[in-house]
Amino acid sequence: GVTQSPTHLIKTRGQQVTLRCSSQSGHNTVSWYQQALGQGPQFIFQYYREEENGRGNFPPRFSGLQFPNDSSELNVNALELDDSALYLCASSLTSGGGNEQFFGPGTRLTVL
Amino acid sequence: GDSVTQMEGPVTLSEEAFLTINCTYTATGYPSLFWYVQYPGEGLQLLLKATKADDKGSNKGFEATYRKETTSFHLEKGSVQVSDSAVYFCALIKRAAGNKLTFGGGTRVLVKP
Repeated sequence: GVTQSPTHLIKTRGQQVTLRCSSQSGHNTVSWYQQALGQGPQFIFQYYREEENGRGNFPPRFSGLQFPNDSSELNVNALELDDSALYLCASSLTSGGGNEQFFGPGTRLTVL
Repeated sequence: GDSVTQMEGPVTLSEEAFLTINCTYTATGYPSLFWYVQYPGEGLQLLLKATKADDKGSNKGFEATYRKETTSFHLEKGSVQVSDSAVYFCALIKRAAGNKLTFGGGTRVLVKP
């Protein structure tokens, strides 16, 4: 399945954070979502074969990387209090619409 | 832009009661529609989906029918169990938008014995 690390993370405003995701084997597409408390997930961006392949309404301080070994990262610079959320990654077999996305358990980020 | 609206929770039910969670969407074109479930401490799991108008998705006793005329995809289950307690999310994808899911705000369901 899809795994994420760490499970929980506490940072202070202005710091930088890296969240990690391991996709399901053979999946070449990974998407990242931000889920604020009590809300639905919001699409951050998607990577397909190591290149960004779509982005939601998030500033450039949110960036990502996808590696050939089924792993990926979400980086957030200059953390703000509103960045506190559950961050979910999801992998899928390919980038085509309608392909089932398999979600990891998420990383809970708290910004103080 | 595209959006999904679902009824606010929490919805509290007794075991074996009938569950309905309303979901409506706004989108151009022909989206595919999904219901995801999130159990405490876990990620999202796909519950069911429908890819075109009048399709009915079903899984684990849950059903939802894609109604294009009312832009709705309401989730139903005839007899809920305590284990159905979770947060349910309605979502859509448009093929032109790749694999970007647009979610509703979620509905928390609590089933009491």
